[in-house]
Amino acid sequence: QKEVEQNSGPLSVPEGAIASLNCTYSDRVSQSFFWYRQYSGKSPELIMSIYSNGDKEDGRFTAQLNKASQYVSLLIRDSQPSDSATYLCAVTPPSGGSYIPTFGRGTSLIVHP
Amino acid sequence: NAGVTQTPKFRILKIGQSMTLQCTQDMNHNYMYWYRQDPGMGLKLIYYSVGAGITDKGEVPNGYNVSRSTTEDFPLRLELAAPSQTSVYFCASSITEDSYEQYFGPGTRLTVT
Repeated sequence: QKEVEQNSGPLSVPEGAIASLNCTYSDRVSQSFFWYRQYSGKSPELIMSIYSNGDKEDGRFTAQLNKASQYVSLLIRDSQPSDSATYLCAVTPPSGGSYIPTFGRGTSLIVHP
Repeated sequence: NAGVTQTPKFRILKIGQSMTLQCTQDMNHNYMYWYRQDPGMGLKLIYYSVGAGITDKGEVPNGYNVSRSTTEDFPLRLELAAPSQTSVYFCASSITEDSYEQYFGPGTRLTVT
């Protein structure tokens, strides 16, 4: 059974700090990795995708992928109260696979002023 | 583009009633998905479709049915509603077979009493 594990939190950080969210996955051949942000009562919104080992930066967000250790992380620099949300990690199989992403349960992030 | 739209936003059903949750996307995506999300839990895949006329079961298909007669529409049918189907339902679509970046609709909050 393919699994994606996330610490449910809540992770509480002060405004301006770096928030670090982690995700581990069990399927070694996973190819694509995504971070979604979900505000309370809203639908998930894609914020980052990463496909190869290393770091990918987009504004205040950095996704880090380590396929050998089977983890992917999301760093949020200069955290703002508006970043308070649940962050879902999703992992997908290689092309030609089942087309079904596997989602973690999400990590709740609270950024306090 | 409207993206992914879902109707209704809210619905209360009595046990044993039936209903259809509508989902439409205007991005010409081939892949569409139905998820349910219970409080504090991750997304559970109900059904998915890789194109018009093609559907397949996800993790929790019991009590639901789908059809995909057009690229745009992917309705979810609940037959004989049960309290266990109380949940928030999200429809999503993704771009191509090589990209699983998903775009979610706003969700339908369903209560079965």
